[in-house]
Amino acid sequence: AQSVTQLDSQVPVFEEAPVELRCNYSSSVSVYLFWYVQYPNQGLQLLLKYLSGSTLVKGINGFEAEFNKSQTSFHLRKPSVHISDTAEYFCAVSTSGGYQKVTFGTGTKLQVIP
Amino acid sequence: DGGITQSPKYLFRKEGQNVTLSCEQNLNHDAMYWYRQDPGQGLRLIYYSQIVNDFQKGDIAEGYSVSREKKESFPLTVTSAQKNPTAFYLCASSARDRESGNTIYFGEGSWLTVV
Repeated sequence: AQSVTQLDSQVPVFEEAPVELRCNYSSSVSVYLFWYVQYPNQGLQLLLKYLSGSTLVKGINGFEAEFNKSQTSFHLRKPSVHISDTAEYFCAVSTSGGYQKVTFGTGTKLQVIP
Repeated sequence: DGGITQSPKYLFRKEGQNVTLSCEQNLNHDAMYWYRQDPGQGLRLIYYSQIVNDFQKGDIAEGYSVSREKKESFPLTVTSAQKNPTAFYLCASSARDRESGNTIYFGEGSWLTVV
């Protein structure tokens, strides 16, 4: 069985500062990894995903994430945040075979302070 | 535009009533899902369907029912047996192919409130 841990439930950061949202996973097989963003009262929007290849993945809105197999991590980063980045961010993992069940983390609320 | 349409956005239900949330997708995806989201609890899987006329229970299926008569549609019925139905409900779909890695795409969600 796979699992996802988002270590921080809330992350406050000043505008224009860098941010890192942490995500660790556990799985006995190869994985696919995803980050989603959710704005209030809306559905989840795909930010980026890692399926294979380069471990550094670039997504929308200036976000990027790095897959680290040895540390079983997929942390999300942005060098300079904007007020509009205030939202909740979800990490998710899917296994590469069979039914490919997707497991979501509990989310990290990013609060950008002006 | 291709996407997932959920309706209604807001729904109020009296205790003891069944209600049905609609979900339609035009992405030609085989798999569809229903999730429930409560504050601070992330997403919990209610039901999923990998193909027409087939569906499976997720982690919290009690008090819910679904049907999958068409590839595009996956309605969710919240029955009176669901003890605490007030929540935000998210419908989603995925292509279920190796190339996409089962990337899940979401609708805009529906708020259900029991009054």
